Order: sequence, then C-alpha cells, then structure tokens
Amino acid sequence: AQSVTQLDSQVPVFEEAPVELRCNYSSSVSVYLFWYVQYPNQGLQLLLKYLSGSTLVKGINGFEAEFNKSQTSFHLRKPSVHISDTAEYFCAVNMDSSYKLIFGSGTRLLVRP
Amino acid sequence: KAGVTQTPRYLIKTRGQQVTLSCSPISGHRSVSWYQQTPGQGLQFLFEYFSETQRNKGNFPGRFSGRQFSNSRSEMNVSTLELGDSALYLCASSLDTGGLNTEAFFGQGTRLTVV
Repeated sequence: AQSVTQLDSQVPVFEEAPVELRCNYSSSVSVYLFWYVQYPNQGLQLLLKYLSGSTLVKGINGFEAEFNKSQTSFHLRKPSVHISDTAEYFCAVNMDSSYKLIFGSGTRLLVRP
Repeated sequence: KAGVTQTPRYLIKTRGQQVTLSCSPISGHRSVSWYQQTPGQGLQFLFEYFSETQRNKGNFPGRFSGRQFSNSRSEMNVSTLELGDSALYLCASSLDTGGLNTEAFFGQGTRLTVV
C-alpha cells in the first residue's frame, strides 16, 4: 500500500537554529510531493511542491526541500527558524492518478526563544 | 481573489442526526476535494468532484456522501452521525488543467463535534 511516513511527531528547536523535518514515501511509480503547514484552527497552506526537474525545491517562508528518489525521501529544511514557524507540518504525495493526496501523520515544529 | 470558503466553521450535532457541510471553491476552480482530519487517523481523503462528477472516493462508509453543483460549489453530507465522526473537515479546490500536479488550496475547515 502506498504510504507517507513522517518520522518525527514533534521537533523542538531554538529560534534561529536550523531544522529538518523528515518525510519518506513508498511508491513504485512517479510521484508528486508536497509540504503543507497548518497553524492552529486553520486549514492547510502549501509551502512547496516537487513535480519534476530540479530535486531541490524552494518554497515560501524560507523553506526548501530535496527530493531523493533512491531514498524515497522529501525532507523539509530551513536554515534559521522563527517563533512564527511553530505549527504542524504535513508531507503529502499524489502517486496513483487518483486526484487525491495521501498525507503523513504530521510533525509539530515547536520553536523556542 | 477570495480563497476557499467553508461554512459553517463550527457545528455541534447529536448522534444519529445528519449534517451538511458546504464548500465554495476559488473562482474558476473546477475540482473540489474533501478530507477528514482527526487526531487518531490524521488527514484522510473522502472524495473528489470535478464538473459535478465524483472522480474518486476514499475508504469511508456510505454514510458519507457529497455532490457538486454547476457553479463548482460542493456539499458533503454525513448521515446517522456517530461520535467518531467528530473531526475537522477540510475542503480543497484545484484549477485542474488536466494534469495531476495542480496545487490544492484548502479552506479553514468545518469543525464538527458529535455529542
């Protein structure tokens, strides 16, 4: 079965420190990959997406992610986080021509002063 | 440009009742998808509509249904509510130019509480 795994349920980090949120997927076909952010009592906002081409993708708010096909990973990174980055982050894939997104379980990023 | 609008934002219903949630997509978007978000199961796909036709459906019981109108607005209905249906229901709309890679824009969700 196709799946998305976010290895960390919560990542605490100090302000201005770098962060990496991990995402792995299982699929034998081509995929489209996404990272979304969810603030409390809000919907999902797209941070970035990988469709094809360059494996390093830059998104909004200083986030970037790298697609690694051999490791089936799409980890999200930011070199210096802010308090305002505290939120839940979801990795998602679209992989079976079904017009649906399969989401990971989410990673709560907690930025401390 | 207005975003995806979901109404109502909050709902409290009693077990056994039914509920209808509404979603107005971004103007020009023809694809509307619904997702259920719970602490235990996370984000799960319910169904997707395009031009008033359901194109795909997730693994939910028949109590969950939806429809899309000619103006692309969509509704989802849950009948015979159960406590486990308490969740945040998210709607997303996409431009859908023919490929699978169009970005999904999400609404703020409807939080349904079943008591």
